[in-house]
Amino acid sequence: QQQVKQSPQSLIVQKGGISIINCAYENTAFDYFPWYQQFPGKGPALLIAIRPDVSEKKEGRFTISFNKSAKQFSLHIMDSQPGDSATYFCAARSGGFKTIFGAGTRLFVKA
Amino acid sequence: GAGVSQSPRYKVAKRGQDVALRCDPISGHVSLFWYQQALGQGPEFLTYFQNEAQLDKSGLPSDRFFAERPEGSVSTLKIQRTQQEDSAVYLCASSLMAGWNSETQYFGPGTRLLVL
Repeated sequence: QQQVKQSPQSLIVQKGGISIINCAYENTAFDYFPWYQQFPGKGPALLIAIRPDVSEKKEGRFTISFNKSAKQFSLHIMDSQPGDSATYFCAARSGGFKTIFGAGTRLFVKA
Repeated sequence: GAGVSQSPRYKVAKRGQDVALRCDPISGHVSLFWYQQALGQGPEFLTYFQNEAQLDKSGLPSDRFFAERPEGSVSTLKIQRTQQEDSAVYLCASSLMAGWNSETQYFGPGTRLLVL
């Protein structure tokens, strides 16, 4: 029940295309859903986050869509660029600080 | 300003050795987290500090793992009698606020531990 399931494991997108990464969870106590971006040799960095009382949040080219009834949320990267090539992690938090991460999606954007 | 720093960046240990990994959080950050990241996986929560208090250590894999933050700033993760399965990247993160308000976690670059 503490898991966050992420798909796909890897994704190849043409430059200018839309990258979509999906996550699902079981624990309805989760109250905060962040997405992190990680480059090789670096720690994860917060990209965008959403709370379950909101169905969509957009920041620049990045959008989170949240479906509370289905217990699913997704990251959309519009106009994907080669510099977006990285590993993306969805995550979920309950109880104020304990964050559970998905297994990650390796995104490669072809120039 | 300076971000979260970790040292050493790389550590090779022989099986059975003790290791100590250091984390310098962003100055003034109340919350500090340790995570373990296996190759090709997401980070897994190990432990959480609010200032010097260790409020959650439920993720520590065994009693060989010990973390401290005695003055509420620098933290050390110690692994005793290392085993090959301890090989991973150990990430430290800090957050300005505590508990529910600690939304943005700032991660360090990690310490890559290899146990031979």
